[in-house]
Amino acid sequence: ETGVTQTPRHLVMGMTNKKSLKCEQHLGHNAMYWYKQSAKKPLELMFVYSLEERVENNSVPSRFSPECPNSSHLFLHLHTLQPEDSALYLCASSQDRGETQYFGPGTRLLVL
Amino acid sequence: KQEVTQIPAALSVPEGENLVLNCSFTDSAIYNLQWFRQDPGKGLTSLLLIQSSQREQTSGRLNASLDKSSGRSTLYIAASQPGDSATYLCAVSSNQFYFGTGTSLTVIP
Repeated sequence: ETGVTQTPRHLVMGMTNKKSLKCEQHLGHNAMYWYKQSAKKPLELMFVYSLEERVENNSVPSRFSPECPNSSHLFLHLHTLQPEDSALYLCASSQDRGETQYFGPGTRLLVL
Repeated sequence: KQEVTQIPAALSVPEGENLVLNCSFTDSAIYNLQWFRQDPGKGLTSLLLIQSSQREQTSGRLNASLDKSSGRSTLYIAASQPGDSATYLCAVSSNQFYFGTGTSLTVIP
């Protein structure tokens, strides 16, 4: 256990659905991250939050919408996704940006 | 933009063998480099983090080295065990973390 939890672990959704991924960290960290991991590709950083403020958005489509209500929780709201968005979505946290990252187990997403 | 390459993409070794995994990066202006392990369908587990001012870090049977000027890092695993089978990822931190595609390691009993 890394101290970072993600729910749900698996999600199947249609292209017209709206769903949310949740991440929670119990480590007292100040930075949280969303990554996308697709087969045969490097992890792609999607969003970075530091002290609850979004500091980076790596040109992610607007159908992905992050929310960080407090330093322990991070959400990724999904709507009108495409089949190519199917991937493993990983959440991570670190004490501060650039420090050791601790990852959650991920949410395996399938878009039909 | 930083590019991270890991060679080989896959490696299969008999149990007990020592092995080296390689990571190279194109921009030497990094804050640190981190090695992770990922088991199938799971998240990443941090193994070692090397600050840019350091040359190596050790944890048990693992030793990671960093040569920032040449843009290279190696992860040395001593006396490999079947439980070491996993995908090993390196990530460099500059303005953000950049990951390689990983080396898939299989240790054969």
